Amino acid sequence: GDSVTQMEGPVTLSEEAFLTINCTYTATGYPSLFWYVQYPGEGLQLLLKATKADDKGSNKGFEATYRKETTSFHLEKGSVQVSDSAVYFCALRGNEKLTFGTGTRLTIIP
Amino acid sequence: ETGVTQTPRHLVMGMTNKKSLKCEQHLGHNAMYWYKQSAKKPLELMFVYNFKEQTENNSVPSRFSPECPNSSHLFLHLHTLQPEDSALYLCASSQADFNSPLHFGNGTRLTVT
Repeated sequence: GDSVTQMEGPVTLSEEAFLTINCTYTATGYPSLFWYVQYPGEGLQLLLKATKADDKGSNKGFEATYRKETTSFHLEKGSVQVSDSAVYFCALRGNEKLTFGTGTRLTIIP
Repeated sequence: ETGVTQTPRHLVMGMTNKKSLKCEQHLGHNAMYWYKQSAKKPLELMFVYNFKEQTENNSVPSRFSPECPNSSHLFLHLHTLQPEDSALYLCASSQADFNSPLHFGNGTRLTVT
């Protein structure tokens, strides 16, 4: 079945550092790929998405590129802020079901 | 305002109680979902409804009983729960096509004592 593997956390960075959170997937067919973010005390919010190979999703300075050859969808941001502290989930959706990774907790220190 | 509203935000119940979680979406979506989020575990999909019809029951124990009276409302009825059922229960909605993202509510934090 479908599966998503993302880097274990927690990740702690200083403000303005470069961020990469790795995500790889296993799926049949051509799934859509997503990154969701969960701030403390809230539900998950869609951060960005890509629906086909080589698509790049971007939002709030975050980017991720759908790489079919490496089955990856790594999340990157050039300069993180304290307000980016949250849990980040990689996810894929094939057919009907949305499959999530285990989440990566990110903490940004001033 | 997320467009998906869950009530209550927090719930404490004993193992013999019966309670219900409520979810309402104002986004015009036709699919609704219940997820369970426990510490150090992946999100677990519990139930899926498409156009008010249940299309997925992910081997959830019968002490959890969903109800979807219309495409805007979703309930999760709880009875004789166990302490290990303590978790954050998230409701989500989406359009039915698989490119559409899910929109989540803020969840109900459930504690079973």
